[in-house]
Amino acid sequence: DGGITQSPKYLFRKEGQNVTLSCEQNLNHDAMYWYRQDPGQGLRLIYYSQIVNDFQKGDIAEGYSVSREKKESFPLTVTSAQKNPTAFYLCASRIRQSPNEKLFFGSGTQLSVL
Amino acid sequence: AQKITQTQPGMFVQEKEAVTLDCTYDTSDPSYGLFWYKQPSSGEMIFLIYQGSYDQQNATEGRYSLNFQKARKSANLVISASQLGDSAMYFCAMREVQGWGQNFVFGPGTRLSVLP
Repeated sequence: DGGITQSPKYLFRKEGQNVTLSCEQNLNHDAMYWYRQDPGQGLRLIYYSQIVNDFQKGDIAEGYSVSREKKESFPLTVTSAQKNPTAFYLCASRIRQSPNEKLFFGSGTQLSVL
Repeated sequence: AQKITQTQPGMFVQEKEAVTLDCTYDTSDPSYGLFWYKQPSSGEMIFLIYQGSYDQQNATEGRYSLNFQKARKSANLVISASQLGDSAMYFCAMREVQGWGQNFVFGPGTRLSVLP
């Protein structure tokens, strides 16, 4: 079955540590997104990638980095510069250049600080 | 400025009754899309319904319909015959074109609780 796989489901970060959240899709989608969700709030865009080796900062990119070396993969690194990383992180993808195509989401990663 | 407004933080509805979840949006782009997603406690985001800005008719998907009033910039979700499994967070989202591509802006959500 096609879909988006996020791992791990739960992740703990120690002070000063970088952690990487995995996102893999087998939907052959060009565009991929990372969103952050805080309790009781909507989703905020961290990074967006339209194609391989290209990505753009979203509204809250500070303290995060991404790479897009393969179409299927869009990992997110939460760096030590992100002082408040505790949140639920959602990865999504969609067909590029299709106006009515929805976002497909992974099941999310809950990141907590130890 | 908030681009998507959902004024109801929480809603209650009796099982088998209909419920309307409000959404208003702000954009100057003539071409945009409006989406509703459901997020159960498991955290996954489930697509419910889509409305394009040029669509003449209101979108419907099974028990879900979208009451689209373009002049008022509102896109309310109507759920008919509520079921216990409809209890979840509901997010309204707007697709907008930006210089680098297409972004999806989400509202703060409405928590719906269906009562037996």
